[in-house]
Parts: sequence; C-alpha cells; structure tokens
Amino acid sequence: EVQLVESGGGLIQPGGSLRLSCAASGFTVSSNYMSWVRQAPGKGLEWVSVIYSGGSTYYADSVKGRFTISRDNSKNTLYLQMNRLRAEDTAVYYCARDRKEMATNYYFDYWGQGTLVTVSS
Amino acid sequence: SYELTQPPSVSVSPGQTASITCSGDKLGDRYACWYQQKPGQSPVLVIYQDTKRPSGIPERFSGSSSGNTATLTISGTQAMDEADYYCQAWDSSTYVVFGGGTKLTVL
Repeated sequence: EVQLVESGGGLIQPGGSLRLSCAASGFTVSSNYMSWVRQAPGKGLEWVSVIYSGGSTYYADSVKGRFTISRDNSKNTLYLQMNRLRAEDTAVYYCARDRKEMATNYYFDYWGQGTLVTVSS
Repeated sequence: SYELTQPPSVSVSPGQTASITCSGDKLGDRYACWYQQKPGQSPVLVIYQDTKRPSGIPERFSGSSSGNTATLTISGTQAMDEADYYCQAWDSSTYVVFGGGTKLTVL
C-alpha cells in the first residue's frame, strides 16, 4: 500500500528556516517524480517543487532561490528545505507522487496528509 | 504563465448532474485532471488524462475536454460529493498548474 507521511511543520518566524520530510512506503521515491504542493488557509492548491527520478529539480517562481527539494534514497524520504520564510509561505504542505505519461499527461496519484507551516512573529 | 480558470461555485440538487468547467488557452491540446478535496482532507484524484477514472472512483464521475475547456461531470450527485474540485494541467514553462478551485454544493 502506498503511503506518504509528512512531518516537520510548525510555527516559525519570518526569515527563519524549516525542513519538511515526507516518508514514503509502498514504492521507491527515487524511481518516481515527487512534488510538494501547498495550500494557504482557505485558498487553492499551489504547486511548489518537483524532483524527477533522474534528479532534476524545478521550482515555482514564488519559492525559487529560497526552497530546495531533495531526497534520501536510503530512507526513501523526500525533503523540502525552506529558507528565508515569509508570511505568505504559511500553508499546509503536501507531498505527492507524480505521474507523467506522454508529453502533457501529468497528475498526482497519491498525496500525504499534509503538514502545516505557519510563518509569523 | 499558463492559467486555468474555474467557476468559484456550483450548486446542484441531489440526484441531478453537476458540471464543473476548467478553461485555459488551448487546454484541449494538453491533458487535464481533476481532484476532489473535502474539508480537512488531502486532495484525491478523480479524473486523469481528461477522461480516465482511477480505481475506486465511482462511475458517476466523468471527464471530457474540447477546445479551451475541460469539464468534470458528476451524474446522480450525492451529498457525499459536496467538496472543492480542482483541475490541473502541465505546461512546459510553468510546470504544474492548478485551477482556482470550485466549491460544489449539493442542496
């Protein structure tokens, strides 16, 4: 059974750093595309970052240069290092397993339960 | 950047058909998918590749796409279908794009 379990969220002051983890089971993280998606309170879904099975990484403009996605193959875990946090980064952060079939057929077939990050003084 | 537009809200009576649209430039030239999200829960994939249903998703959920619009249709809508629905597509420059979401109310 595929499971994704996020952790690491919490209250952090503006300008601070936080690292989120997403422990996967039932499949191999390094063989898949994996993403982070966030949802601000009462708002819609926003894609944040992806790491491809080959190791390439991509980011939304809103987090580029501040966030870093990575994985630990030995732990089958995905990470999101978040630096220089801002109030507008406050959201529930979900990790998700990506599916990319053909050029534009891209979707998330499994999601974690999410972890809340609150950036406030 | 690529954008997807959804109506903020749709209302439907129990047992009737609900249609939720998602518009984007030449959306019909790329695949769209749909997620259902109930309050306090994670999103769940209900349609992918425009028209396909993942295992476990009821047959009353269907999808279509043509021109600039993708549509999620729920036939015989039930109270349990009340939720937020998001469309999503992939763009080579923006990567993953979500629509703003539609709140489906079953009256």
